[in-house]
Amino acid sequence: QVQLVESGGGVVQPGGSLRLSCAASGFTFSSYGMHWVRQAPGKGLEWVAFIRYDGSNKYYADSVKGRFTISRDNSKNTLYLQMNSLRAEDTAVYYCAKDRAGGQYYFDYWGQGTLVTVSS
Amino acid sequence: EIVLTQSPATLSLSPGERATLSCRASQSVSSYLAWYQQKPGQAPRLLIYDASNRATGIPARFSGSGSGTDFTLTISSLEPEDFAVYYCQQRSNWPLFGQGTRLEIK
Repeated sequence: QVQLVESGGGVVQPGGSLRLSCAASGFTFSSYGMHWVRQAPGKGLEWVAFIRYDGSNKYYADSVKGRFTISRDNSKNTLYLQMNSLRAEDTAVYYCAKDRAGGQYYFDYWGQGTLVTVSS
Repeated sequence: EIVLTQSPATLSLSPGERATLSCRASQSVSSYLAWYQQKPGQAPRLLIYDASNRATGIPARFSGSGSGTDFTLTISSLEPEDFAVYYCQQRSNWPLFGQGTRLEIK
């Protein structure tokens, strides 16, 4: 069965950096686009970034463009999110999510999430 | 930017009743709309995509309809496990979610 397991969250000071990882199993990782979606405490869902199945194209929400970088290692079945210049408003649970098919931008499987807290 | 508005914000119903949740887009998103269910402390779950297609493993009591700017998620007869927050999401340009409808037990 499809499994997505995020790691790397924690507490970081404003202006700091953090790298999230998402280990995938149960499907052919190299055949699917992948996303990061976040949810601030008690708030709704916000899409963060997308990477094509082969890593050739990457797209970002305006709120993180220039600060966050999505990447993947298909040999390790792992998705990453490098987060720099972190702000208090980046505090959220970060989910990795599998694209349903062909860059459809629907999220059919989600990890359990990892909490990022930006605070001094 | 397309804005999705969900109504009502909170819906109070009893098990066995029919639930109707609405999602309105500020401009046409064709049929590029999905619905997700999220329970406390859990990740969201995809229910419906392309407005009316049930995702894998989703019970038949969940159905979606609509196109253009007005969409509806219907739960024909509520089960205890259906009480949760529901989000709509459009993919017409970048993925964007509505603010959610909380379905609570009356």
